[in-house]
Amino acid sequence: ETGVTQTPRHLVMGMTNKKSLKCEQHLGHNAMYWYKQSAKKPLELMFVYSLEERVENNSVPSRFSPECPNSSHLFLHLHTLQPEDSALYLCASSQELQGALTEAFFGQGTRLTVV
Amino acid sequence: AQSVTQLGSHVSVSEGALVLLRCNYSSSVPPYLFWYVQYPNQGLQLLLKYTTGATLVKGINGLEAEYKKSETSFHLTKPSAHMSDAAEYFCAVSDTHNQGGKLIFGQGTELSVKP
Repeated sequence: ETGVTQTPRHLVMGMTNKKSLKCEQHLGHNAMYWYKQSAKKPLELMFVYSLEERVENNSVPSRFSPECPNSSHLFLHLHTLQPEDSALYLCASSQELQGALTEAFFGQGTRLTVV
Repeated sequence: AQSVTQLGSHVSVSEGALVLLRCNYSSSVPPYLFWYVQYPNQGLQLLLKYTTGATLVKGINGLEAEYKKSETSFHLTKPSAHMSDAAEYFCAVSDTHNQGGKLIFGQGTELSVKP
């Protein structure tokens, strides 16, 4: 039990579908993150939220839309995805965005396949 | 900009042998450095981290990593490999001082352990 829970664990969707990934953290953290892990590539930071406010969007296509309704929940809304978007999507949280001795705690990820 | 290079995408050792996973980084500010492990279809788990203070950091099960500023390295070692150590290992540096969750990852090193 990592304290960061992602659902669903696996998702297959067509290119015209709309789906959402959910992340919930039970650690009382103030910052949350979405990472994308593609095969043979380093993990890529997609979005950063601090106290429910988006503080970073790393040139992510608009077909990915994050939402952070409160400090415990983070969503990634997906629409009109491409096959190359197939990857493991990881959510993470940290106590603060800035500060000493903070580190990221990761969920188990959602394995997304776009067909 | 910060970056991380992990030398060797795949390392294979015999059970009981020394494990050495290499990590070099570049950073214009004093870095925070991390090692994570990932088992198949799982999220990332923090193994150990360097923030400030002692340059030799120790984790569970005999894991160690030493921050060497002069070599810009943070190699991970374990004196004796166990079958259960087989996994993918990621070295990471924090993006901008004190931002532990905004991690820049290396490409990962897959560790295999032979009986």
